[in-house]
Amino acid sequence: EAQVTQNPRYLITVTGKKLTVTCSQNMNHEYMSWYRQDPGLGLRQIYYSMNVEVTDKGDVPEGYKVSRKEKRNFPLILESPSPNQTSLYFCASRAGGPLSEQYFGPGTRLTVT
Amino acid sequence: AQSVTQPDIHITVSEGASLELRCNYSYGATPYLFWYVQSPGQGLQLLLKYFSGDTLVQGIKGFEAEFKRSQSSFNLRKPSVHWSDAAEYFCAVGYSGNTPLVFGKGTRLSVIA
Repeated sequence: EAQVTQNPRYLITVTGKKLTVTCSQNMNHEYMSWYRQDPGLGLRQIYYSMNVEVTDKGDVPEGYKVSRKEKRNFPLILESPSPNQTSLYFCASRAGGPLSEQYFGPGTRLTVT
Repeated sequence: AQSVTQPDIHITVSEGASLELRCNYSYGATPYLFWYVQSPGQGLQLLLKYFSGDTLVQGIKGFEAEFKRSQSSFNLRKPSVHWSDAAEYFCAVGYSGNTPLVFGKGTRLSVIA
């Protein structure tokens, strides 16, 4: 089954404790991205990657890091989480080209206290 | 900068009634246009997309959307809403190359009996 998986699905952590949210896709997609979803703000892109070792900032990259060492994986790293990073995070992938369908993961609910 | 506006934050319709969700975009050329649906607790699923050709596009779950260049709009419609259509709906715009999608802030649809 074609899918994007994220782990963990739910996470409660404390300010300053480094964390990683993993994302993996099994469709051999070139393009992957991370979004955060906040009430009233919709989805905002954090980072995206057009291929292995190619990443770029989205609209709200501050406080986040990503890496793309393998095509299937695109982890999101919060080196020092803060309460304003409490949000719902989605990973997404697509084959490439703007008309390709973008597949979304199920989301990760992060709470930073 | 490119932008997407969904003017309605929340819409309530009766089951069986027709539905229209509005979407306006800001861009000089014809963009790639998408509608996604997010059911409660789920990721986003593509309903339909448009780039060229017939301006009336059919999607899954009985939805359709019409592209109107003169109004920079891509409104989503459904002739008869079902209770299971209650969800949040996002309009998104893509452009040439591998640029990321830009999402609207979403419209939450409630369906009443």
